[in-house]
Amino acid sequence: GAGVSQSPRYKVAKRGQDVALRCDPISGHVSLFWYQQALGQGPEFLTYFQNEAQLDKSGLPSDRFFAERPEGSVSTLKIQRTQQEDSAVYLCASEYQETQYFGPGTRLLVL
Amino acid sequence: QKEVEQNSGPLSVPEGAIASLNCTYSDRVSQSFFWYRQYSGKSPELIMSIYSNGDKEDGRFTAQLNKASQYVSLLIRDSQPSDSATYLCAVKGAGRRALTFGSGTRLQVQP
Repeated sequence: GAGVSQSPRYKVAKRGQDVALRCDPISGHVSLFWYQQALGQGPEFLTYFQNEAQLDKSGLPSDRFFAERPEGSVSTLKIQRTQQEDSAVYLCASEYQETQYFGPGTRLLVL
Repeated sequence: QKEVEQNSGPLSVPEGAIASLNCTYSDRVSQSFFWYRQYSGKSPELIMSIYSNGDKEDGRFTAQLNKASQYVSLLIRDSQPSDSATYLCAVKGAGRRALTFGSGTRLQVQP
């Protein structure tokens, strides 16, 4: 079946622009996670949804980062007023029976 | 001290040899442990999960967990050049849904 999909795959933004990153989880997966992966590092947790409820947003680095999952399926991660330090790969994962399945990621470059 | 520590490598082994990848974690109440493989430019892919002390084998892969020493390892037998990738250790703490990742160990299998 289809895996986790993310769009866009690549995004170049000018500093100060707002960006929106989309995640389509595996159908039926209740739990959805966003991670940020800097070059040469492991993924770092940003936020977690169970259905439409955002149960943990402790990893969001600043109030410029906002995530939503209004209908409990597709999720959007929005970054306002992007900064160069936001350049990273943003990974979405959905979970089934303790296993997290990752999407291909969105590679964001802020110039 | 990082919560999950891995040697960054590269770990270089000849084809056919056993590759041994190690990981230590700081949260004593961690309950679930995962090894992910990440090829360059790709997303993490689950290799093994382990939840109780001892060994767990799956094909050429064996995960070993020692909760008293807060140590988890991955052995890859009969290493192949296609095993060349970064291996990420991930830990899930008690009461937490998010994964905490190490920085990864880069494995190079020489033909």
